Amino acid sequence: AQSVTQPDIHITVSEGASLELRCNYSYGATPYLFWYVQSPGQGLQLLLKYFSGDTLVQGIKGFEAEFKRSQSSFNLRKPSVHWSDAAEYFCASGRRGGNKLTFGTGTQLKVEL
Amino acid sequence: DTAVSQTPKYLVTQMGNDKSIKCEQNLGHDTMYWYKQDSKKFLKIMFSYNNKELIINETVPNRFSPKSPDKAHLNLHINSLELGDSAVYFCASSLALTSGRGHTGELFFGEGSRLTVL
Repeated sequence: AQSVTQPDIHITVSEGASLELRCNYSYGATPYLFWYVQSPGQGLQLLLKYFSGDTLVQGIKGFEAEFKRSQSSFNLRKPSVHWSDAAEYFCASGRRGGNKLTFGTGTQLKVEL
Repeated sequence: DTAVSQTPKYLVTQMGNDKSIKCEQNLGHDTMYWYKQDSKKFLKIMFSYNNKELIINETVPNRFSPKSPDKAHLNLHINSLELGDSAVYFCASSLALTSGRGHTGELFFGEGSRLTVL
């Protein structure tokens, strides 16, 4: 069965600092991989996605993620965090040919001004 | 225009009551889902329908009954509500992975319906 692990439950960074949120997936083949962001009281918004091809994918709001097959990872990065980035971030994976996404437990990002 | 809309956004009710949450999507998708997000923010799939046909039914009490009158709507009815049903329920939609339209699993979410059972 697929699983997605986000090792960090909470992360606090200063505004302007760089950010990396970790995500590891467990699946034999290459999955579809996603990062979603959830602001308080809101639904989930897609930040970026990986299907195939270039392992470095660019998303909205200045985020990027890199797929590393050897490490089964899909970490999310941003070079300079803004206060408005404070939110809950979810990594998710889907199986090719499957019909659902499996989500990680989320990482709550706090941004210090 | 809201792509995936759920109603109501907030629902407070007593234990033992029956309630429904409605979901509609105007994206032309053929697959819809219900996810439950608990107090620790964990998201777990409950149901998925493809063209009105149930394709995923995770381990969910049979007090929960989804209904899809057409592929743009997926409603969730809950009987005999319990305290543990308190959560945020998210509706989502996507193109079917087998649709042949190049879709690769991306879900579009509604804003959630927060259910509080007292």
